[in-house]
Amino acid sequence: GIQVEQSPPDLILQEGANSTLRCNFSDSVNNLQWFHQNPWGQLINLFYIPSGTKQNGRLSATTVATERYSLLYISSSQTTDSGVYFCAVPSGAGSYQLTFGKGTKLSVIP
Amino acid sequence: DSGVTQTPKHLITATGQRVTLRCSPRSGDLSVYWYQQSLDQGLQFLIQYYNGEERAKGNILERFSAQQFPDLHSELNLSSLELGDSALYFCASSVVDSSYEQYFGPGTRLTVT
Repeated sequence: GIQVEQSPPDLILQEGANSTLRCNFSDSVNNLQWFHQNPWGQLINLFYIPSGTKQNGRLSATTVATERYSLLYISSSQTTDSGVYFCAVPSGAGSYQLTFGKGTKLSVIP
Repeated sequence: DSGVTQTPKHLITATGQRVTLRCSPRSGDLSVYWYQQSLDQGLQFLIQYYNGEERAKGNILERFSAQQFPDLHSELNLSSLELGDSALYFCASSVVDSSYEQYFGPGTRLTVT
C-alpha cells in the first residue's frame, strides 16, 4: 500500500515563530487532507488539497502531486496551534479510505 | 464542529465484554468510515460503508463488526474485548463513495481494564 512519511516528528516553537511541516507519499494521489489533532483528541480538518495552494488565516498548504509531497505552513504560531498534525491520502487506486502519516507533534511555548 | 456525532465519548469496560459505538454522519453524507487510533499502530482504517452496504475492509479484527442502517447512522460492535483494544475510535463521513473530503467525529475513547 501507499506509504506516507511526515517530518519532522517533533517540533518546538516559540510563540510567534513560523514553521513548515512536510508530508511525502509514495504513489500518485487524487486527494490529500491535513488534520490537526488537538490535545483533547479531536481531529480537525485543515485542508483538502489534492494539488495547488490554499490558505486559511495563518495556515496555508501546498501540494505538488507530481513530486509526491505536500507542505503545511504555520505562521505567527500561537499556543493553541499545539497538537499533532497529520496528513492523509487514499490508500490506493480505487480506494477511498485514508492512510495517515505518523504525524508531527507541535508544541508552541509562550 | 464537523457535523459528525459519535456516542459515547468515553467507555470503560472489562476484558471479555462487548460494546457498541455509534456514529451519525453529516446530513447528506452517504459514506461512513471507521478508524482506530492506538499508541502503537497510529491511525488505521477499519471499515467503510456506503448507503448501507459494506464497501471496504481494512485492518479490522474478526471480533469487530459494523453496520450502516437505513437512516445512515452506523454502529461498530467490538466483542471479546482485550486490553489491546483500548484506543480512540473515530467515525468519518463523506458525501459519496469517492475521493471526497472526509469529516471526522469527536471519537469514542475506549478503555479496556
